[in-house]
Formats: sequence, structure tokens, C-alpha cells
Amino acid sequence: RKEVEQDPGPFNVPEGATVAFNCTYSNSASQSFFWYRQDCRKEPKLLMSVYSSGNEDGRFTAQLNRASQYISLLIRDSKLSDSATYLCVVNLPNAGGTSYGKLTFGQGTILTVHP
Amino acid sequence: DADVTQTPRNRITKTGKRIMLECSQTKGHDRMYWYRQDPGLGLRLIYYSFDVKDINKGEISDGYSVSRQAQAKFSLSLESAIPNQTALYFCATSDRTRTSGSYEQYFGPGTRLTVT
Repeated sequence: RKEVEQDPGPFNVPEGATVAFNCTYSNSASQSFFWYRQDCRKEPKLLMSVYSSGNEDGRFTAQLNRASQYISLLIRDSKLSDSATYLCVVNLPNAGGTSYGKLTFGQGTILTVHP
Repeated sequence: DADVTQTPRNRITKTGKRIMLECSQTKGHDRMYWYRQDPGLGLRLIYYSFDVKDINKGEISDGYSVSRQAQAKFSLSLESAIPNQTALYFCATSDRTRTSGSYEQYFGPGTRLTVT
């Protein structure tokens, strides 16, 4: 089983649509969670951290369910500029169970927003 | 100016050649990382360094070596390049955030390496 698993998509949605991405992680000791955005041939950029209580940043809402080891990202009112690959990222502990700031990336979910 | 820079941005080299990719950062972070990205495989960690004297192998370190010359500089070397090392290489930095206690990473623009 992959440590971080995402539906690769692609998701093709019209402008204004609401779209949700899901991600599961295998290690219940995971401590930090993020969504990154990557445009074609560019570097990944942090979109938002994911907190246990859930958090929102404008049109973006992230949720964490530790019991199910599941993370989600909801994008409301999609814009053309939201077209990108969205990476689910987890900070997994090392073999000793402590976190050393190493991130494990999912393969990414491709989103295309069309007019 | 970019906080994390990588040189070169693009490189074509022949099998068997030695090549070095360089990364510099002005963010003042202690931690630096090297990843490669291949289509369908996502980002995979090659090496990471938590300070100048602390360097660790990642999940795919075979065929690579690194040097942390200073807090701000972290170089990746391919001692004898082979075609399956053709990939997009990213350098990243991180520091523990005050608010969340998490290690958000910041990436350089990437180096596109082709080994023929």
C-alpha cells in the first residue's frame, strides 16, 4: 500500500463548479498534513496546511479525519487559474516514531477547469 | 529575488559524465532536501540535510551524492550519469513553523536533467 494515495484524476470541471479531492495515508502516526499545488513544469507550492479542526482559506477548505486517515480539499467556485496538479503531502515519522520534517508526497490529482 | 535558487535550470549530458546540481537559499532555513520527479511517480526524496553536519539518505539515494557546503548551499552530484536519471530535480528547504509546529517545505524552480 502506498504511504500517501490520491485519485490521479484528471478532474475536468466547468468554471464555477465545486470540486473535492481526497487523499488517504497509511501511517496513523503521521503528524502534519498539507496540500501543495503544482503547475505544469513548475515547482510545488504550498497551498495550505491541514489542521485537525479543519481550515478554510478563501475558496479552499481542507479537512482531516485522523480516525479514517483521510484528508480532503474542497475548491468552491472554480476558476480557470485553479487548473493544476494538487499534491497531498504528509509528514511521516521516522522509524523511531519522531518527526524529522520529511514529507511524503502523493502522486497528485490533476484538475482542469474549463470555460 | 527567489528565496530558493537552482542551477542549472536545464542540462543535457551524456551517459557516464559527472554532473553537479546546485541549490542556494536565502530563507535562513536549516533543513534542505533534494527530490526527483518522474511522470506517474510523484516526488521522491533523494537526500536530506538537517544542518551542515547532518546528511541523510532518502528513499532513492543510489547513484547520487550530496554536499552541504554551508547552511545556504546544498549540492547534488551524479557521479556517473545514466539515462534513467533523466528527471526533474527539485531542491527544497524547511524550518519548523511557529504556529503549527509543522515543517512546511519551500521549493526551488527545478532542474530539468536529460541523460542521453
